[in-house]
Amino acid sequence: EVQLVQSGAEVKKPGESLKISCQVSGYIFTNNWIVWVRQMPGKGLEWMGIIHPGDSDTRYTPSFQGHVSISADKSSNTAYLQWRSLEASDTAIYYCGRRDGYNFHFDYWGQGTPVTVSS
Amino acid sequence: QSVLTQPASVSESLGQSITISCTGTSSDVGGYDYVSWYQQYPGKAPKLIIYDVIHRPSGVSTRFSGSKSGNTASLTISGLQAEDEANYYCTSYRPTNSFVWVFGGGTKLTVL
Repeated sequence: EVQLVQSGAEVKKPGESLKISCQVSGYIFTNNWIVWVRQMPGKGLEWMGIIHPGDSDTRYTPSFQGHVSISADKSSNTAYLQWRSLEASDTAIYYCGRRDGYNFHFDYWGQGTPVTVSS
Repeated sequence: QSVLTQPASVSESLGQSITISCTGTSSDVGGYDYVSWYQQYPGKAPKLIIYDVIHRPSGVSTRFSGSKSGNTASLTISGLQAEDEANYYCTSYRPTNSFVWVFGGGTKLTVL
């Protein structure tokens, strides 16, 4: 059974760093791209970026380029989303999703990681 | 502002049918048959319900169907049930930069 399990809720202060995770199981991690999506409170879904764990090829949407880093660890079947300096506007739920092979949709999703940034 | 345009909200009665539109351009929706739809309940992860315009993943109700005409894709839900009340997002392939997907702004479906 394919599963994407994300790390738990986080509460941070502005300026702090953070790394959240998405651990996968039930398939070969290096075969499928993993995408990250942001959902701010009461708002819609926004693509952030995507990584291919096999070769660490990473692409970001313009809105998030330079503000977050996406990485993957093949030894633990885990993808990561990282901030060096959080802002209050980073308060959101973050979801990871699996790209279905080389198709153009995402078939499995993590449960989401709520991140609250407040002084 | 989302690249794909969806109505912010729609409503219809139990048992009826409803269609949610997703309008883009010839650079995305109109140019490729790679539109997908996701259903999301509040506080829950998105769920894929339609991919490649018309295809349903295994396990998704046949009451959900997709179509496309020109630059507008549509999601139709027939025989509305209370459990269909959710947010629906369209997304399309759009190869204008290195990240090739775009979202619609989402549509809140209320079942009366």
